Amino acid sequence: SAVISQKPSRDICQRGTSLTIQCQVDSQVTMMFWYRQQPGQSLTLIATANQGSEATYESGFVIDKFPISRPNLTFSTLTVSNMSPEDSSIYLCSVGKSDSGHGYTFGSGTRLTVV
Amino acid sequence: GQNIDQPTEMTATEGAIVQINCTYQTSGFNGLFWYQQHAGEAPTFLSYNVLDGLEEKGRFSSFLSRSKGYSYLLLKELQMKDSASYLCAVKDSNYQLIWGAGTKLIIKP
Repeated sequence: SAVISQKPSRDICQRGTSLTIQCQVDSQVTMMFWYRQQPGQSLTLIATANQGSEATYESGFVIDKFPISRPNLTFSTLTVSNMSPEDSSIYLCSVGKSDSGHGYTFGSGTRLTVV
Repeated sequence: GQNIDQPTEMTATEGAIVQINCTYQTSGFNGLFWYQQHAGEAPTFLSYNVLDGLEEKGRFSSFLSRSKGYSYLLLKELQMKDSASYLCAVKDSNYQLIWGAGTKLIIKP
């Protein structure tokens, strides 16, 4: 299965600023996903990052707040913009094949605290 | 709407067996996954079921009944390191993963 390098692993940010999270995969993957996981909660899909086109956002998430880049099949970034304390969460990238039974692989996560 | 239900928390004793249930109602079905997530870490893949029946993998087994919208994860010979959250996820007709809220498993000596 793919190996994902996600960074930063954690950050403490000031309200109103932005943070960009990076995910680098060791192989080309078609589908890359960005999730948020708030303390004690399960995973919430933010968007699917598509190579060469705009990301597909889930209900409740918008591009202005969470811009995503996917310049090639091995790399993606998620930016959390104009942060507020409510954005404090763990952000995870994940890769997988739509028809794969081998499961989806996750990056190690970015623990974001907004103060 | 789409929904996945699993117990919030379970407690079991080291060396024992525990069964974590998951029921789902989704628009279509293209497989069910179980993941393990230790506190502060990313989820790791445990098992995948797409056909009815039991899949065994070492101390862990996963069962699926599509007609009942039901799955369980069976953990045998529990070890302290098995203390974690266990997440059930279903791939729907659009190949989107729908996640349960997770079951926190506490293992006591």
